[in-house]
Amino acid sequence: DAGVIQSPRHEVTEMGQEVTLRCKPISGHDYLFWYRQTMMRGLELLIYFNNNVPIDDSGMPEDRFSAKMPNASFSTLKIQPSEPRDSAVYFCASTVWGLRAEAFFGQGTRLTVV
Amino acid sequence: DQQVKQNSPSLSVQEGRISILNCDYTNSMFDYFLWYKKYPAEGPTFLISISSIKDKNEDGRFTVFLNKSAKHLSLHIVPSQPGDSAVYFCAASAASRQLTFGSGTQLTVLP
Repeated sequence: DAGVIQSPRHEVTEMGQEVTLRCKPISGHDYLFWYRQTMMRGLELLIYFNNNVPIDDSGMPEDRFSAKMPNASFSTLKIQPSEPRDSAVYFCASTVWGLRAEAFFGQGTRLTVV
Repeated sequence: DQQVKQNSPSLSVQEGRISILNCDYTNSMFDYFLWYKKYPAEGPTFLISISSIKDKNEDGRFTVFLNKSAKHLSLHIVPSQPGDSAVYFCAASAASRQLTFGSGTQLTVLP
């Protein structure tokens, strides 16, 4: 398996534009997580899905953020409209029930909003 | 409110010596603890874990110690190698698959 795949690796956008980050989890994994890494706050959990259903989105900072998981092999995180303070590295991770919380991470998307 | 805290943002150690990274938590419901390692431009990778029913888990050069009464865990790396230079994240979970991470400690192992 190629692991968790995220795209794009880097994204530079202007304030106010819509940004969509994509994630393909490891095949067979039934949990998918979106994290954001910043210098100030470290790794924050934004939202997670179990069997494609959002379970906890309490970490989503504002209504400008939304996430979907239309099927077991694909998820998106959308920011609309984007703001400079959204600049961060966004990670997607996945795991399966039999693995005791040891999530596997993608390489991340570095988002810069100017 | 940070439930998992890593109070040292950075640590420098000489090659061959012991590295000790510390982590404190506040949520008594946490029952599983993990350490992740992160190199620049890569995602975090799982390193070692410990269940709350244990107080020590060892894997090669890496040992994690858990002190439940103090709500404290530590990662020992012996001997430290230059390739260990990375950011180390402490994480914890409580029954669910959701991980709560600390802010990370940058370890630099000097040759």
